Amino acid sequence: EVQLLESGGGLVQPGGSLRLSCAASGFTFSNCAMAWVRQAPGKGLEWVSTISSDGGGTFYADSVKGRFTVSRDNSKNTLYLQMNSLRAEDTASYHCAKDSTGSFLFDNWGQGTLVTVSS
Amino acid sequence: DIQMTQSPSSLSASVGDRVTITCRASQGISNYLAWYQQKPGKVPKLLIYAASTLQSGVPSRFSGSGSGTDFTLTISSLQPEDVATYYCQKYNTAPGTFGQGTKVEIK
Repeated sequence: EVQLLESGGGLVQPGGSLRLSCAASGFTFSNCAMAWVRQAPGKGLEWVSTISSDGGGTFYADSVKGRFTVSRDNSKNTLYLQMNSLRAEDTASYHCAKDSTGSFLFDNWGQGTLVTVSS
Repeated sequence: DIQMTQSPSSLSASVGDRVTITCRASQGISNYLAWYQQKPGKVPKLLIYAASTLQSGVPSRFSGSGSGTDFTLTISSLQPEDVATYYCQKYNTAPGTFGQGTKVEIK
């Protein structure tokens, strides 16, 4: 069974930083692209970032480009999202998602970790 | 970037009704269109990809159609467990833009 478990969320002040992690199990992590998708409270889904299976390719939404960095450690089956220069509009639940085909199509989702940016 | 627009934003229908949700892309996306279902308090679940291919385990009352810019998700006979928000998404190239969602409720 595919399991994706996010951690690292919390309350942070505007301009601050946070690093999210996603521990994966139940599938061959190194064979799959992975993504972060966020959902602000009561709002819709927003794709944030994708990383290729070997980490050589990274993609970002314009809203986070230059501030967020996605990475992965295939030896630890773990996906990361380093978030810097956080803004109030970054407040959301951040979900990691499995992208089996490397085509920005998300076939499994984690439960999410809540990031709140507020002073 | 390509924009994805869903309609309606919400709907209320009776059990057994046929329900149709539309999704329009601002430019042609061939058949690179997915539908997700998000039940209240749950994470999204992939329902349909390639515009009309059901993900494994999805009930056959769900179907998708379309190509290019116009797509539909149809629930042939609405069931109480189908109460959810449905999102379309263009994929294959970045950004993987989602539609704004359609909330489906039981009348």
